[in-house]
Amino acid sequence: NAGVTQTPKFQVLKTGQSMTLQCAQDMNHNSMYWYRQDPGMGLRLIYYSASEGTTDKGEVPNGYNVSRLNKREFSLRLESAAPSQTSVYFCASSTGGEPEKLFFGSGTQLSVL
Amino acid sequence: AQTVTQSQPEMSVQEAETVTLSCTYDTSESDYYLFWYKQPPSRQMILVIRQEAYKQQNATENRFSVNFQKAAKSFSLKISDSQLGDAAMYFCAYRSWTSGSRLTFGEGTQLTVNP
Repeated sequence: NAGVTQTPKFQVLKTGQSMTLQCAQDMNHNSMYWYRQDPGMGLRLIYYSASEGTTDKGEVPNGYNVSRLNKREFSLRLESAAPSQTSVYFCASSTGGEPEKLFFGSGTQLSVL
Repeated sequence: AQTVTQSQPEMSVQEAETVTLSCTYDTSESDYYLFWYKQPPSRQMILVIRQEAYKQQNATENRFSVNFQKAAKSFSLKISDSQLGDAAMYFCAYRSWTSGSRLTFGEGTQLTVNP
């Protein structure tokens, strides 16, 4: 039971470098999400995808891009990393319907120096 | 926009005792969902309990129960018979009735359980 898989688990970048965080789910969920977690601020929504082929901005989208490659995969790209993007990133997917259930990946710890 | 506030950055409890974590929220909507999530050191996000705003009855899950006060916009979590495994960061979260799983989270409360 893989659930939601994120790679990598840890990453260190230098300011200005780019990278893509990968996320895949094997539960046939339509909706997927990217959150970031910062100390004292809880989790905040970066982008979400309600279905394959659609993406929308969340609360904190600046500095990020996303791609919903297919129903399984939803990637998050940092084009030019900044120290302010140091955070733990969580990917999640949801079942839809009611009661809707949200499944989280195990997170990516990203440090930008 | 909705906001969720957890005013207790840290709480501690003795093993086997009861502890209550506070959460308040602000919304103009009448239908919504509220959640408590647990995040242990493993970083995994674990759903503890869920409350539908239209339900007057407070949700319970084994040792976990909530006190939902809709008029006061308050949603506290009570943990009874605390166990060492309950030590974790706890997040309160809000979800609009129609927003899918786009959650608004509180700042979190770090719970320590003392043996």
